[in-house]
Amino acid sequence: GEDVEQSLFLSVREGDSSVINCTYTDSSSTYLYWYKQEPGAGLQLLTYIFSNMDMKQDQRLTVLLNKKDKHLSLRIADTQTGDSAIYFCAEPHEVEGNTPLVFGKGTRLSVIA
Amino acid sequence: DSGVTQTPKHLITATGQRVTLRCSPRSGDLSVYWYQQSLDQGLQFLIHYYNGEERAKGNILERFSAQQFPDLHSELNLSSLELGDSALYFCASSDPPEVGGGNTIYFGEGSWLTVV
Repeated sequence: GEDVEQSLFLSVREGDSSVINCTYTDSSSTYLYWYKQEPGAGLQLLTYIFSNMDMKQDQRLTVLLNKKDKHLSLRIADTQTGDSAIYFCAEPHEVEGNTPLVFGKGTRLSVIA
Repeated sequence: DSGVTQTPKHLITATGQRVTLRCSPRSGDLSVYWYQQSLDQGLQFLIHYYNGEERAKGNILERFSAQQFPDLHSELNLSSLELGDSALYFCASSDPPEVGGGNTIYFGEGSWLTVV
């Protein structure tokens, strides 16, 4: 069955790098996603990576994909207090077309000033 | 602002009652998804509609139902409400399949339902 796994909590100091890890189940997933949820808000798409890529960089965000181990990570450089939020990893339920995403339980990132 | 609109933002109701949550997808999006977020279950997929037709069902209870109308807005109906139905209900929509970027899903702000 589908199960996206994430650690539940991460605490870092302001200015340090944060690394949030995720394991997914479907090796045929074409895209993998990271969403961010701030307190009292909806889920905001942060970034996504296509499965033929190993790495994607977008400003302070770096996504690493290890398809062999079905492991996805999100690195946030120079973490700020505004990065405090819950981060969700997600994979498509099916390979093609409009399909629901399956989400992990989310990693709560706390940034200490 | 994702472009997905949900109403109401907050709702308090009693056990046994019925409520309807409403969602307007982003302009041009044909797919609407409903998710439930609770503390213990995380983010659970409920149901997916595409252009008015049901496409996929997730962990949706029989007391819950949804529909998508010709103008593409959607409603989630929750009946015989129980305390455990208290949660944040999200609607989301996604690009048509021919648009690049995979199946990126855009979420609304959610409807907070409290059952007392």
